[in-house]
Amino acid sequence: DTAVSQTPKYLVTQMGNDKSIKCEQNLGHDTMYWYKQDSKKFLKIMFSYNNKELIINETVPNRFSPKSPDKAHLNLHINSLELGDSAVYFCASSRHSLLSGLTYEQYFGPGTRLTVT
Amino acid sequence: KNEVEQSPQNLTAQEGEFITINCSYSVGISALHWLQQHPGGGIVSLFMLSSGKKKHGRLIATINIQEKHSSLHITASHPRDSAVYICAVSPYNNNDMRFGAGTRLTVKP
Repeated sequence: DTAVSQTPKYLVTQMGNDKSIKCEQNLGHDTMYWYKQDSKKFLKIMFSYNNKELIINETVPNRFSPKSPDKAHLNLHINSLELGDSAVYFCASSRHSLLSGLTYEQYFGPGTRLTVT
Repeated sequence: KNEVEQSPQNLTAQEGEFITINCSYSVGISALHWLQQHPGGGIVSLFMLSSGKKKHGRLIATINIQEKHSSLHITASHPRDSAVYICAVSPYNNNDMRFGAGTRLTVKP
């Protein structure tokens, strides 16, 4: 009964490859996020989707493409992987109200450690 | 300069000590979050607050909106509290989070 799940947990791949990380939440939340945690453990928002629509897209190379087939899933596809993409990627979800602007607690997945060699 | 600054970066305490971690931010916010990242890497939300004070067990979080400052206190610290504690803010009309660099806490028995 995991709330936010990610697969795979570890991903080792070579430069130039294309890979995907999957995220699913069973909390009934409207909003999902992708965060990147670099080697210095600093977290940064990459994308946010609300009801399958992109609402936040920080300055992320367009090699990264989020895909939301439904509001319970937000997958991250990465093309032409580079060494600098090595990091831990966290998915999260929350309730969200675009109309009220209220902020809600976020629930994080366990993270996917991506290593590009 | 980061929008969210935490201090200290690293903190070592003896079991039983009272611990304070500080967070200052420079943007208008709708909420401030305290997160805990375990040594295994998982991230758990401890508190979300927009005013005053909240308490869960031995953990207390306070926020002063006028001064743009928050503190996380741990009373009677225990080795199992050893983790990285991360302060994050949600800017106005935005549900994403901007993160501090984290405080690595080690509690020795």
